[in-house]
Amino acid sequence: NAGVTQTPKFRVLKTGQSMTLLCAQDMNHEYMYWYRQDPGMGLRLIHYSVGEGTTAKGEVPDGYNVSRLKKQNFLLGLESAAPSQTSVYFCAVARTGGEPDTQYFGPGTRLTVL
Amino acid sequence: AQSVAQPEDQVNVAEGNPLTVKCTYSVSGNPYLFWYVQYPNRGLQFLLKYITGDNLVKGSYGFEAEFNKSQTSFHLKKPSALVSDSALYFCAVRKFNTDKLIFGTGTRLQVFP
Repeated sequence: NAGVTQTPKFRVLKTGQSMTLLCAQDMNHEYMYWYRQDPGMGLRLIHYSVGEGTTAKGEVPDGYNVSRLKKQNFLLGLESAAPSQTSVYFCAVARTGGEPDTQYFGPGTRLTVL
Repeated sequence: AQSVAQPEDQVNVAEGNPLTVKCTYSVSGNPYLFWYVQYPNRGLQFLLKYITGDNLVKGSYGFEAEFNKSQTSFHLKKPSALVSDSALYFCAVRKFNTDKLIFGTGTRLQVFP
């Protein structure tokens, strides 16, 4: 089992370009999350999904869009990249929202916007 | 407002000595608390969590954490540090009545041989 995978691992964009980050899981978990990690700020939630076909905003959603067309995939899109979106992006999955469940993280995508 | 604080940016400890990484929290309702570790260029790995019950929670790699309700703390501990424990440690609390975690800013643990 691969667990949680993220594609790509690294990417460099120019300001204004667009891209999509893919998170894929083989854990059959309902909940999926996108975070960004910046030095000195910990992890901040961008968007999340509680099941196939659903999405919701997190703490810092501006400039990002998401889709969850299939249970196993959660896509994060940047329509017009800005230097402020330079960050490391992590996807996480969790089984359920009942008892506080453990979130399992992917290896991350390092994005640089020039 | 719910939050979690990690007051130390970095903790240095000699190999073989006990280590403590501090975390304090502020939540509505019952606190659900987590510790994660991040090794260089890797994603976060779950160490342990407190939901209810015994205040001393044991986790992976010999780590444990002590929940203290009166001091609103959830400090991570290990009796004998290893050089391989050197990493970035995050405390997190589940936001009340949601499925979202709030993370602290992280503490870098450096274990010296």
